Parts: sequence; structure tokens; C-alpha cells
Amino acid sequence: SQQGEEDPQALSIQEGENATMNCSYKTSINNLQWYRQNSGRGLVHLILIRSNEREKHSGRLRVTLDTSKKSSSLLITASRAADTASYFCATDGRSYNTDKLIFGTGTRLQVFP
Amino acid sequence: DVKVTQSSRYLVKRTGEKVFLECVQDMDHENMFWYRQDPGLGLRLIYFSYDVKMKEKGDIPEGYSVSREKKERFSLILESASTNQTSMYLCASRVSSGNTIYFGEGSWLTVV
Repeated sequence: SQQGEEDPQALSIQEGENATMNCSYKTSINNLQWYRQNSGRGLVHLILIRSNEREKHSGRLRVTLDTSKKSSSLLITASRAADTASYFCATDGRSYNTDKLIFGTGTRLQVFP
Repeated sequence: DVKVTQSSRYLVKRTGEKVFLECVQDMDHENMFWYRQDPGLGLRLIYFSYDVKMKEKGDIPEGYSVSREKKERFSLILESASTNQTSMYLCASRVSSGNTIYFGEGSWLTVV
């Protein structure tokens, strides 16, 4: 079953606004990653946050992790039309016997010029 | 740069055909994965391999098998394709557990 669930499923904003996406998961994790997917293409890694970290930044991206609530958020500041894509969280579960990486269902972000 | 190459971008196959989806990575990665992606369902893990000749079932292995005879190549096999296997298939790899995963561009399979 899916480990992560993103919220909202879809988000539409204007250029320059901030976009926030949330991810919830069910079991203990070693780390949590965020990926981006342009329509019809493969996924591209954005950022990884480890279970002992609370916040991480990369350019216009800010990721937070709350292991007590089993949730993470991805904030894209000053969004651009080129940020239009689907965004997925993925977790590497500590409870798994081997090393499978499980993805959520994704958030579709539309940024209007 | 890491490169994960999926041999076929678009395929159309008939029901009952045997289908091979090939994936090659050029970075000596230990772990390789096959996912399928369907609207509203996100990415679902079919099979993964943590080393040569090693494989583990993911969440939806039924109707699929895999082969990893060489470290760089991970093949997904549909023994007898069915229309409910029409989907986008994504191959991925990473050096080892806990690291970034790199994806291929995807293979769009239509079974008619």
C-alpha cells in the first residue's frame, strides 16, 4: 500500500504566490524525499530530509519534517509558471525488511502567468 | 550525470503477448526499481532489486516478473499482457538505500 499521501491533490496559484504541499506517512522513516514530475516525463529529485532534521532549504524550496505527526511539507516560494508539475513525496521506511522507496499519490501544481 | 535509459518510450501490444521492458543505468547502482503510474494512484512499486540476481516484490507484482542478470540492467516482463496493464512504467535506480533515486523517462504501454 502507498506509504505517503499528498495534500492537496491539486493546487492552482498565480505566479509570484507561494505554494505549499503536504505529505503524510504511516510508519517510521529514515528519510523523506520530494520529487517533481513534468507531464509525461520521469521524476526528478528535489530535496531529501533525514529523520533527525526538521527543516531544509534549497533555493526557493523549503521542506519541513515533523516525525511526531508523521508529516512533511514542501513550500515553493515566489512560484513561476515553470514550476507547473506534479510533486511527490517518497519515504524509505525503517520498518521494511529491504530498501524499497514508496511514493505518495502526488499534488498537481498549476501556476498561471 | 546519472543516466537511466528505458529502451522503449511508446509500445502498443496485443492481449496475451509477452512484453519486455528494458532498463539500463550507467552508474553502477545497486538498487533498481520498476513502478507503474496511473492517474489518481500515483506511483506503485511493482518489483525492486537490491543487487544482481536479487529481487523483491513490491506492492503490485501480480502479472509481472523481473530479471537482473547484470548490475546495469533490470528488465520487467509481462508474461501475458492484459488491458489492465495499460499504463506508464517507470524504471529507477540508486546507489544504495537512503539515497536519491534516479528515474528514466518512462515507457507508455498500451495493451489492446
